[in-house]
Amino acid sequence: AQTVTQSQPEMSVQEAETVTLSCTYDTSESDYYLFWYKQPPSRQMILVIRQEAYKQQNATENRFSVNFQKAAKSFSLKISDSQLGDAAMYFCAYRSGTSYGKLTFGQGTILTVHP
Amino acid sequence: EPEVTQTPSHQVTQMGQEVILRCVPISNHLYFYWYRQILGQKVEFLVSFYNNEISEKSEIFDDQFSVERPDGSNFTLKIRSTKLEDSAMYFCASSEALAGDTQYFGPGTRLTVL
Repeated sequence: AQTVTQSQPEMSVQEAETVTLSCTYDTSESDYYLFWYKQPPSRQMILVIRQEAYKQQNATENRFSVNFQKAAKSFSLKISDSQLGDAAMYFCAYRSGTSYGKLTFGQGTILTVHP
Repeated sequence: EPEVTQTPSHQVTQMGQEVILRCVPISNHLYFYWYRQILGQKVEFLVSFYNNEISEKSEIFDDQFSVERPDGSNFTLKIRSTKLEDSAMYFCASSEALAGDTQYFGPGTRLTVL
């Protein structure tokens, strides 16, 4: 079974600074997808960014980018120019290319942004 | 922008009672999912649903749980006889296609079992 591990229960960053959230996963598959979701206090899950395992290029979405290291099974999220609205719980998630959509989530990292 | 909606936002029930949680997925989406999140814990997959059938389910999704798409818009999760440990946030999600497609989540229903 696949597992996703987020080793940082909490992180903090100053507004306008950069922060990196870590995620590792364990799988024997070659076809899979990785996601970062944000969960603000409202608790709604919001997609931040996604990465296809077959793509070598790291995904980017505005201030959000990932460092995808397939051999190391690592998928970190970098948030540049952090804003107060970035404060939330961040979940890393894995989806097998052969599953019927099941997302396996990590434990989450609480990000605090200081003004 | 289309979004997934869920009702109610908060449901309080007595242990042993049946509850039905409702979701309206995004209209052109074909794949539907339920997840739950016990307070302070990670989000856990319950079930995926496509073409009026369960595609995949987790060990959590036992005989007490069922899902249904009663009409062209709603997707429901029924818990037959609630237990205290069913207290959690329940999220519905939908996706347009399957292969790696992004799942869009609803705002969740907080279920409290007393």
